[in-house]
Amino acid sequence: AQTVTQSQPEMSVQEAETVTLSCTYDTSENNYYLFWYKQPPSRQMILVIRQEAYKQQNATENRFSVNFQKAAKSFSLKISDSQLGDTAMYFCAFMKPPDNNRKLIWGLGTSLAVNP
Amino acid sequence: DAGITQSPRYKITETGRQVTLMCHQTWSHSYMFWYRQDLGHGLRLIYYSAAADITDKGEVPDGYVVSRSKTENFPLTLESATRSQTSVYFCASSELPRGRIQPQHFGDGTRLSIL
Repeated sequence: AQTVTQSQPEMSVQEAETVTLSCTYDTSENNYYLFWYKQPPSRQMILVIRQEAYKQQNATENRFSVNFQKAAKSFSLKISDSQLGDTAMYFCAFMKPPDNNRKLIWGLGTSLAVNP
Repeated sequence: DAGITQSPRYKITETGRQVTLMCHQTWSHSYMFWYRQDLGHGLRLIYYSAAADITDKGEVPDGYVVSRSKTENFPLTLESATRSQTSVYFCASSELPRGRIQPQHFGDGTRLSIL
């Protein structure tokens, strides 16, 4: 069975600095999908970035980028130029190759505080 | 506005009562999901649906019932609420992949407290 591990329950960073959140996963599949979701205090779940395992190039979305290391089964999220609005819980999620259920497997989250 | 909406946003009820959480999406997404979020457990899948009239159990289905008579609606019912079902409930939807996998889009959640 697939599992997703986020080893950092809490992190903090100063505004304008860079922070990296870690995520590792366990799977025997060769093709799969990985996501980072953000949950601010408002409780809404917001997609931050996604990565297809067959793509070697790391995904980027503005200040957010990933370091995808397939052999190491690692999928870390880098936030550059951190802003106060980045304060949130961040969840890493894994999806098996497309099948009929589209189920996501979630990590337990990392609580990120951006300090002024 | 288009999107996925959950109602109510907050609900307090008593043990043994039946309660239904509503989820409505305007995207005509094929897939819909119900999760519960609890401290220390993250998000856990309760039920999901691949299309109207097709539903299947997730990780923690006991005590819950779902239906999907229309594509846009996916209500979740707690037939006889228990205190262990106190949680935040999220509904999500996703469309069929079109060249690349489509992410799940979430509603704002329902905070349910069972006394």
